[in-house]
Formats: sequence, C-alpha cells, structure tokens
Amino acid sequence: EAQVTQNPRYLITVTGKKLTVTCSQNMNHEYMSWYRQDPGLGLRQIYYSMNVEVTDKGDVPEGYKVSRKEKRNFPLILESPSPNQTSLYFCASSLWGFSEKLFFGSGTQLSVL
Amino acid sequence: GESVGLHLPTLSVQEGDNSIINCAYSNSASDYFIWYKQESGKGPQFIIDIRSNMDKRQGQRVTVLLNKTVKHLSLQIAATQPGDSAVYFCAENTGGFKTIFGAGTRLFVKA
Repeated sequence: EAQVTQNPRYLITVTGKKLTVTCSQNMNHEYMSWYRQDPGLGLRQIYYSMNVEVTDKGDVPEGYKVSRKEKRNFPLILESPSPNQTSLYFCASSLWGFSEKLFFGSGTQLSVL
Repeated sequence: GESVGLHLPTLSVQEGDNSIINCAYSNSASDYFIWYKQESGKGPQFIIDIRSNMDKRQGQRVTVLLNKTVKHLSLQIAATQPGDSAVYFCAENTGGFKTIFGAGTRLFVKA
C-alpha cells in the first residue's frame, strides 16, 4: 500500500532533550516536506527536500533540522526542543513537488514540557 | 488561503443537503489549487484539484470552482453524508516547491 509513515504517533518530552521524528515513504517520490499544524493557523511548512541531499527552508524552520540521505526517508530533528514547538507535525511527499497533490502521513503529536 | 485566527469557520449542514465551502487565496500568481480533507486524528487527504486555466472541475460528489478575478475558490459537496464531517483545507501553489494552506473550515453533518 502506498503510504507515508511517521513515527512516533505521540511524543512527550522535556525542554532541551534532542528528538527525532521519522518519516518514510514507499512511493519513490522525489519531494518530501514537513509541516506543523497549530489551531487556526493551518499547515505551515518547516522544511522540504526536492531530492536526496537537497533540502531547503520553509516558512518556519527555526529550531528544526532535516536530512535526506536516502530518497525514502526524511527525518525531522529538534536539537533542543522548546515549549513553542508543541504542535502536530505532518510529513508529506509528492512525485516532483510542484503543482501536485501531497500525500500526508498520519501525524506526530509532540508536547514539549 | 487566509488565516482566520484561533477558531475555525464552521459549516453545519443537514445530511443529504449540498455543502459549499469557500476559500480566499492570497497569491494572484498561484496556478494550482487543491482541496484537502482532514478527519479527526488523521493527516490531510487529497480531494480534488484545479489548475488556473480552468474555472470548474468535477469529481465524484465534489465540484471545485475557481474565480481568479476575485481570488476565490469553493468546494461543493453534493448530498452531504455523515462521513463528510471533517476539516477542509484549500491550498495554493505557484508552481514552485511551496504549497500554502488556508486555516481550514470545519464541516458538521447533522443526521
């Protein structure tokens, strides 16, 4: 089944403790992206990747890192999480990344205490 | 799409009626528009899309209308069913690698 898989589904952590949210897609998509969703603000793009080893900032990149060492994986890294990063995070992918629909994972609910 | 603050606009319709969800997009250069449906506890799911060279596109029970003059997008759902209850997002793309999402509209379907 074609899908985008995120893990974990829920994560509670404390300020400053590094964490990684994994994302994997099995559709051979070139493009992958991370979004955060906050009440009333819709989805805001954090980082995106057009291909292996090619990444770029979205609208809200501060406090986040990403890497794209393999086409299928695009982990989101929070080196020193802060409470304002408490949010619902979604990974998405598409074949090329422009003028195309996105396929989303099921989300990761992160709480930073 | 425009931000509407902390509270999502809400649309409540009777089962079997038609629903119309509206969206104002922000960039006149956007040339691709998408509607997504997000059910509780799930990620957004593609419903229908339209390119700027079209005014209307129909899918199964859904129709998207695009008015470029006033930068307005609408999603029409025919014969709304309880399973249509969700948050609906419009999104726009200018042909680059960024898709901009609206804040969403919550649709309630009354039995």
